[in-house]
Amino acid sequence: QVQLQESGPGLVKPSQTLSLTCTVSGGSISSGRYYWSWIRQPAGKGLEWIGRIYTSGSTNYNPSLKSRVTISVDTSKNQFSLKLTSVTAADTAVYYCARTAGTVPGAIWGQGTLVTVSS
Amino acid sequence: QSALTQPASVSGSPGQSITISCTGTSSDVGGYNYVSWYQQHPGKAPKLIIYDVSNRPSGISNRFSGSKSGNTASLTISGLQAEDETDYYCSSYTGSSTLYVFGTGTKVTVL
Repeated sequence: QVQLQESGPGLVKPSQTLSLTCTVSGGSISSGRYYWSWIRQPAGKGLEWIGRIYTSGSTNYNPSLKSRVTISVDTSKNQFSLKLTSVTAADTAVYYCARTAGTVPGAIWGQGTLVTVSS
Repeated sequence: QSALTQPASVSGSPGQSITISCTGTSSDVGGYNYVSWYQQHPGKAPKLIIYDVSNRPSGISNRFSGSKSGNTASLTISGLQAEDETDYYCSSYTGSSTLYVFGTGTKVTVL
């Protein structure tokens, strides 16, 4: 059974870069025709899709974040990563990684990790 | 791409049926049969309960069902149980550069 686990700093200073990694276990990140997404949720608010990557390296990003986001994949480590630059308090949220099945952004989810942007 | 519109709250008594609506536009909900629904308990990750409008993943109770008419999708929970009291989100594929848009979320209360 495929499982996802986010990891990374829980506190990032304003203007710096948020970096998170998602480790996939229970199956190869390269198997099947799946994309791998990052989705975030500010406290008490709704979900926002950030972007997705295919194991070929092909990416799609939410236009509202595109200028600040980079998603990459390391198939040898069965991981994919998120970098979000120039963060502000508005980027404080729980960040989830998810396996994306074509038209379904979150078929399988990681447990989520809280990232707080504060000095 | 704006968030899909859901009622903030819906309530019902145990055993009853409730329906949560999810309203979008012809560019998302109305344009594709690609609406999914998620259940999220407090402090937990969302869990997929419906995909492609009306399909249930393996292991999801048949008390959950989905449908769509025009620009509005709906999630129906029948035989309401105490464990169903939590938050629900819809999502739609859009086909635009914002590939996926989520709903505003609905809190279900079991009276």
